[in-house]
Amino acid sequence: DAGVTQSPTHLIKTRGQQVTLRCSPKSGHDTVSWYQQALGQGPQFIFQYYEEEERQRGNFPDRFSGHQFPNYSSELNVNALLLGDSALYLCASSLNTNNEQFFGPGTRLTVL
Amino acid sequence: AQSVSQHNHHVILSEAASLELGCNYSYGGTVNLFWYVQYPGQHLQLLLKYFSGDPLVKGIKGFEAEFIKSKFSFNLRKPSVQWSDTAEYFCAVSGGFQKLVFGTGTRLLVSP
Repeated sequence: DAGVTQSPTHLIKTRGQQVTLRCSPKSGHDTVSWYQQALGQGPQFIFQYYEEEERQRGNFPDRFSGHQFPNYSSELNVNALLLGDSALYLCASSLNTNNEQFFGPGTRLTVL
Repeated sequence: AQSVSQHNHHVILSEAASLELGCNYSYGGTVNLFWYVQYPGQHLQLLLKYFSGDPLVKGIKGFEAEFIKSKFSFNLRKPSVQWSDTAEYFCAVSGGFQKLVFGTGTRLLVSP
């Protein structure tokens, strides 16, 4: 049973560029959440997708957007990258009926 | 707004010592409480969770936590730590099927 997978593992971008991160949920899960973990901090909630719609959003600007596909996989897009966007981006999946979230290994984004 | 406080940022213990990590939360409604662990080089893993019922919950690897509603606390305990418990520990709270709000984490170093 595959767990949550994310791609790519690492990514280096320059300021102003755009990036897309991908996530495949654990088998059987229908809900995907995205978190940003800055160095030395706990994960911060970005948004959550269920039934291909953004269900809840954290305190992140509109430069952060996402999508969920019919197979429940998800993408996180960040436009106009800033140095401060450098972080580990975590995807977590869960069942809509149960808030136990399973995390992927993350994508390490470095913005130069 | 929900918030989580972890009072111990760094903890150093010798093997076989007892562990208690503090976690206090702020939330006005019914909460779900979690402890996650991040071993070096690995992704976040769920240690234990509290949704309802018995306030003393047992998790994997001998960890347990006690939910004390009157104190808004969910402290993590282990009677005897091992070198392999060296990791970063995160407390998180959620109000139902919603986002997880994490604390800043506690880095535990267990010396052999």
